[in-house]
Amino acid sequence: NAGVTQTPKFQVLKTGQSMTLQCAQDMNHNSMYWYRQDPGMGLRLIYYSASEGTTDKGEVPNGYNVSRLNKREFSLRLESAAPSQTSVYFCASRGLSSGSFHEQFFGPGTRLTVL
Amino acid sequence: DQQVKQNSPSLSVQEGRISILNCDYTNSMFDYFLWYKKYPAEGPTFLISISSIKDKNEDGRFTVFLNKSAKHLSLHIVPSQPGDSAVYFCAAGGSNDYKLSFGAGTTVTVRA
Repeated sequence: NAGVTQTPKFQVLKTGQSMTLQCAQDMNHNSMYWYRQDPGMGLRLIYYSASEGTTDKGEVPNGYNVSRLNKREFSLRLESAAPSQTSVYFCASRGLSSGSFHEQFFGPGTRLTVL
Repeated sequence: DQQVKQNSPSLSVQEGRISILNCDYTNSMFDYFLWYKKYPAEGPTFLISISSIKDKNEDGRFTVFLNKSAKHLSLHIVPSQPGDSAVYFCAAGGSNDYKLSFGAGTTVTVRA
């Protein structure tokens, strides 16, 4: 089991460029999440998908869109990147009864720099 | 408005001693709590959790204590080891909610 995988690992964009961050999980989990981590801010939820076919906004959704492509895959798109979106992005997943008390499993992260 | 707060950004402790990490929350609907550990350039990994029906949960060197009336939880690591040097995140959620709210994290450094 690979768990949660994310591509790419690193990316540098210019302001105004677009890109899609990919995430896949092989644990047959229903729920998937996108977070960003910034210094002193912890992990902030961008969007989540409680189950295949549904997506909802989290705490900081502005400037992002998501697609739950199928049960395994959940992508995050930046349509017009801004320097404020420089961050480390983590994808996570959760099964109906995974782990202890709603544990989420995280991918290794994508480090994004917007110049 | 942050619903989960970790007020100590960093903690330095000598190897073999106890590390105590603190976390406060404001949302009374939270009824389960988790601690995650994160090494540089890796994703967070689950460490230990506790539900609101308990006030203590222990797993090896790690113990989490919950004080519901004070809306406070703490993580104790005894004894601290060099491999425990990492960022620790506190997280909280409600039983009927798919989401977790995370604190800002505490960086623990274990000195030899």
